[in-house]
Amino acid sequence: KQEVTQIPAALSVPEGENLVLNCSFTDSAIYNLQWFRQDPGKGLTSLLLIQSSQREQTSGRLNASLDKSSGRSTLYIAASQPGDSATYLCAVRGANAGKSTFGDGTTLTVKP
Amino acid sequence: DAMVIQNPRYQVTQFGKPVTLSCSQTLNHNVMYWYQQKSSQAPKLLFHYYDKDFNNEADTPDNFQSRRPNTSFCFLDIRSPGLGDAAMYLCATSREKGAFQPQHFGDGTRLSIL
Repeated sequence: KQEVTQIPAALSVPEGENLVLNCSFTDSAIYNLQWFRQDPGKGLTSLLLIQSSQREQTSGRLNASLDKSSGRSTLYIAASQPGDSATYLCAVRGANAGKSTFGDGTTLTVKP
Repeated sequence: DAMVIQNPRYQVTQFGKPVTLSCSQTLNHNVMYWYQQKSSQAPKLLFHYYDKDFNNEADTPDNFQSRRPNTSFCFLDIRSPGLGDAAMYLCATSREKGAFQPQHFGDGTRLSIL
């Protein structure tokens, strides 16, 4: 059974800092890994999708990496802004029935 | 421009009174998912449809059911809601099940049980 862990559960940084969010998973037989952002009381917004054959994806100030053999992914946010404050979730899609398993998320607060 | 639309955004029902949540999509995607998310927890997959093929997760409670009358719509029916069913319910779609297919989420329906 796939288990996904995100550490830390919460992170607070001053505006302008670069930061890294971590996601680890136990079963390396995956199709892809997707990073989402969730604002309070809202649904999930997809940020980046990394296929199992890829090592990283970039979108604007965001860079996601994947090391499938060690069961780890990171989301790097450059020059953080208060608008980046949200909960960030990673989801790992298994190679069998296509089920995605989510981590509990990291709640990020960027202080002005 | 919303592509996955969930109605209503907030739903209140009484203990034991059946309730239906709805999801529609304009993406013409084959796969539709329903997730339950409790406060500060990860979304938990309840079931998904691949076209008309229904796939139930092993630990989804029996009082949760789903219908997909056509490609665009999918419903979540809770036959006899208990207090523990209060949560955010998220609908998602993907074009196919494979590696290259991201999931697209709606804004969710927050269900409260009185």
